[in-house]
Amino acid sequence: NAGVTQTPKFQVLKTGQSMTLQCAQDMNHEYMSWYRQDPGMGLRLIHYSVGAGITDQGEVPNGYNVSRSTTEDFPLRLLSAAPSQTSVYFCASSYSEKHSYEQYFGPGTRLTVT
Amino acid sequence: LAKTTQPISMDSYEGQEVNITCSHNNIATNDYITWYQQFPSQGPRFIIQGYKTKVTNEVASLFIPADRKSSTLSLPRVSLSDTAVYYCLVEYNNNDMRFGAGTRLTVKP
Repeated sequence: NAGVTQTPKFQVLKTGQSMTLQCAQDMNHEYMSWYRQDPGMGLRLIHYSVGAGITDQGEVPNGYNVSRSTTEDFPLRLLSAAPSQTSVYFCASSYSEKHSYEQYFGPGTRLTVT
Repeated sequence: LAKTTQPISMDSYEGQEVNITCSHNNIATNDYITWYQQFPSQGPRFIIQGYKTKVTNEVASLFIPADRKSSTLSLPRVSLSDTAVYYCLVEYNNNDMRFGAGTRLTVKP
C-alpha cells in the first residue's frame, strides 16, 4: 500500500491564481481531511469528508473548496490564492470518522503564494 | 471555545523519561485525546490515543486524570531519534479536531 499520497510536493503561486492540491489513499478509508500547518499554530482543520459525496467545513475553511467523488480521492482547491494561504498542507485519512481510529497523514505540500 | 494547549519546547537527555502535558478545556465526556509525532518534512505519525485513566503501548504511555482537563504523554528512556515535534489532538464534539501548537522535544546525548 502507498498509504496517503499528495501532489505536488512544492508549489509557488502568484496572488489570484488557482490550483488543486491532490490527495489519494489506497486503504479504503472513509474519512479524509485536509489540514494546514503554520509556524506556532500546529495543524488546523480546513475541510473533511466522512465518505464519498459528503464534505464539511473544519476550523479554517475560507478560501478553499473540496469535493469527494470517490473513496480514494479528496482534492483541495484554491480558487484565488492569497499570500495568507502560504502554508504546508497535509491530507489525512482514517478508517472511520469515529474518534477511536488513528489518522494517516500524507507527506505534505509546501505552498508559497507571492 | 475549544482550545488545546501544550508547551512550546522541552529538552531532555538520552535515557531519561520525558513527560509532555497537554491542556484541553471544554473536553466532553466522549472526546478522545491523541498524540502524534512529526519529523521535519514528514506528516505527523500516530503515537497513542486514550479516553480516560491510562493507556500504554510499545512506545509510550498516556495518562488522563479523572477531570480529563489535561493529559500527559510519557516517553520512557528517550533516544536521540525521539527528537521531534509532538502534537496533542483533541476531537471536540465529533469532528471538531483541535491540534495543539506542538512541543519541540530535543534529546541531547
